[in-house]
Amino acid sequence: QKEVEQDPGPLSVPEGAIVSLNCTYSNSAFQYFMWYRQYSRKGPELLMYTYSSGNKEDGRFTAQVDKSSKYISLFIRDSQPSDSATYLCATSGSSNTGKLIFGQGTTLQVKP
Amino acid sequence: GAVVSQHPSWVICKSGTSVKIECRSLDFQATTMFWYRQFPKQSLMLMATSNEGSKATYEQGVEKDKFLINHASLTLSTLTVTSAHPEDSSFYICSARPGQLNTEAFFGQGTRLTVV
Repeated sequence: QKEVEQDPGPLSVPEGAIVSLNCTYSNSAFQYFMWYRQYSRKGPELLMYTYSSGNKEDGRFTAQVDKSSKYISLFIRDSQPSDSATYLCATSGSSNTGKLIFGQGTTLQVKP
Repeated sequence: GAVVSQHPSWVICKSGTSVKIECRSLDFQATTMFWYRQFPKQSLMLMATSNEGSKATYEQGVEKDKFLINHASLTLSTLTVTSAHPEDSSFYICSARPGQLNTEAFFGQGTRLTVV
């Protein structure tokens, strides 16, 4: 079992839709969680960084962590064509080494 | 957010030659930087942890003699792919943190290496 599982998609939605992206993780000791957006041939861009269970909102983006289920989500409201990218969930794992463990990434396409 | 700059953004080299990729933290100091590799349509795989002033720590299966890492200052880490082969063609990305190891990690823009 992979440490972080993420459906690679692709996911296609119409402009304005609410997008839900999800990841599961294997170890309940994992602490910090991030969502990155990666455009083609570019480095990942940090979108959200969370630690505790619950929701964290930033503009059109909401990150949700459910540690009891080992489940993390990213919601995008009023999706735009510019949101078309690959979204990667990541965790710092259970150790304080600074290493990140990534999910496979979900490719999102928002159609105008 | 903090800025991490990577150079070059793309490079083509001949088999057998070496290529150096630079990773700089522009507005903060980083005692630790990380080098990742990404194949098409796949996620990022950690190659090594670059430690300022000491040897890098390599992940299992990564050849340290092939992927030389030097972290000579608090703002610069370099990855040198030695005796490159076509199978080394990939997207190489570095990351760094402005604070403690569990704070946000920021990534460079990546370097696309093509070995012909």
